[in-house]
Amino acid sequence: DQQVKQNSPSLSVQEGRISILNCDYTNSMFDYFLWYKKYPAEGPTFLISISSIKDKNEDGRFTVFLNKSAKHLSLHIVPSQPGDSAVYFCAADRDDKIIFGKGTRLHILP
Amino acid sequence: KAGVTQTPRYLIKTRGQQVTLSCSPISGHRSVSWYQQTPGQGLQFLFEYFSETQRNKGNFPGRFSGRQFSNSRSEMNVSTLELGDSALYLCASSADPGIGEGYTFGSGTRLTVV
Repeated sequence: DQQVKQNSPSLSVQEGRISILNCDYTNSMFDYFLWYKKYPAEGPTFLISISSIKDKNEDGRFTVFLNKSAKHLSLHIVPSQPGDSAVYFCAADRDDKIIFGKGTRLHILP
Repeated sequence: KAGVTQTPRYLIKTRGQQVTLSCSPISGHRSVSWYQQTPGQGLQFLFEYFSETQRNKGNFPGRFSGRQFSNSRSEMNVSTLELGDSALYLCASSADPGIGEGYTFGSGTRLTVV
């Protein structure tokens, strides 16, 4: 049973435009949601998180939105840059156990 | 400050053997988690240790075990290796899990079982 789902395996976005990565979850008991970015041959890097009591968190070019009623969160990157090309993992945290989605590969096109 | 260090980086083992992977967390971090990454399954949680105690465990068979030492370094052991155990094993550390600050990952150990 996949509790955290990223239904788009890949996404291509023009440089300078907005990238929107989506994530759905099934367990309403998650405390935090996190986004990680992963380059090939490296471990995932923490990007941004949001508490389940908030609906938006912003950090520079990255904004995460949480819609608890829909059990949906999204990561917005604006403007998208070439260095943003990577795999993005959505993750949910409950009682210090993190469950990851399968990831979305983002391609930023020149 | 030094990041999370995982050794070895690459490992090739044959079926039936056992393997031990090591993880040194960031200094001061007491929580260490282990994950398995495969192309089909993404990142899957193995277990989490905090102050030498296993606090959480994922849905992996008993062949997968771990431990944490008093200096917070952690080891993961896989016995009776199977071909399907070939994966990238990632270790992550955190100072204070549960407050949404995220974990810092190591670069992983690439295990190939032949």
